[in-house]
Amino acid sequence: NAGVTQTPKFQVLKTGQSMTLQCAQDMNHNSMYWYRQDPGMGLRLIYYSASEGTTDKGEVPNGYNVSRLNKREFSLRLESAAPSQTSVYFCASRKSGQGEAFFGQGTRLTVV
Amino acid sequence: EDQVTQSPEALRLQEGESSSLNCSYTVSGLRGLFWYRQDPGKGPEFLFTLYSAGEEKEKERLKATLTKKESFLHITAPKPEDSATYLCAVGIYGQNFVFGPGTRLSVLP
Repeated sequence: NAGVTQTPKFQVLKTGQSMTLQCAQDMNHNSMYWYRQDPGMGLRLIYYSASEGTTDKGEVPNGYNVSRLNKREFSLRLESAAPSQTSVYFCASRKSGQGEAFFGQGTRLTVV
Repeated sequence: EDQVTQSPEALRLQEGESSSLNCSYTVSGLRGLFWYRQDPGKGPEFLFTLYSAGEEKEKERLKATLTKKESFLHITAPKPEDSATYLCAVGIYGQNFVFGPGTRLSVLP
């Protein structure tokens, strides 16, 4: 049971570089989410996808783009990384609009 | 504005010393109250969902309760392995969650 798998686990970027965070779930869930977690601020929603083919902005979308590649995969792209994007990023999935979400292990990103 | 607060920010207990964590919320339309456990360097792990005031759920040494404005996570006779950060989240309209900042629990042997 893999659940939600994120890659990579760690990444260091220089300011201005781009990268894509990958997320895949094997639970046949419809909804997928990207969060960032910063000390003292809790988890904040960046983007979400209610179903395959749809994406919507969350609380902190600036500087990010997403792609719902298929039902299993939801990627997060940083086009031009900034130090303010240093954070731990979590992908999550949920069967539908109700019920609990399941989280991946996270990607720790540092932008220098 | 939908908001979730948790208290205390950090809690240190001796093994066997029972206590409670608080989650207070103000949301326009509650679609579930969720408790998660997060260990260092890992993603949040689901514990409980509560939907109605008066509802209670238990799992081992943990019991979650819900009122119209807050939820409590009661920890009975905790063990060192219960040490973690406990996150509270509320489900809101539009498929989303609002998370609280968490309570860091340390249980000393």
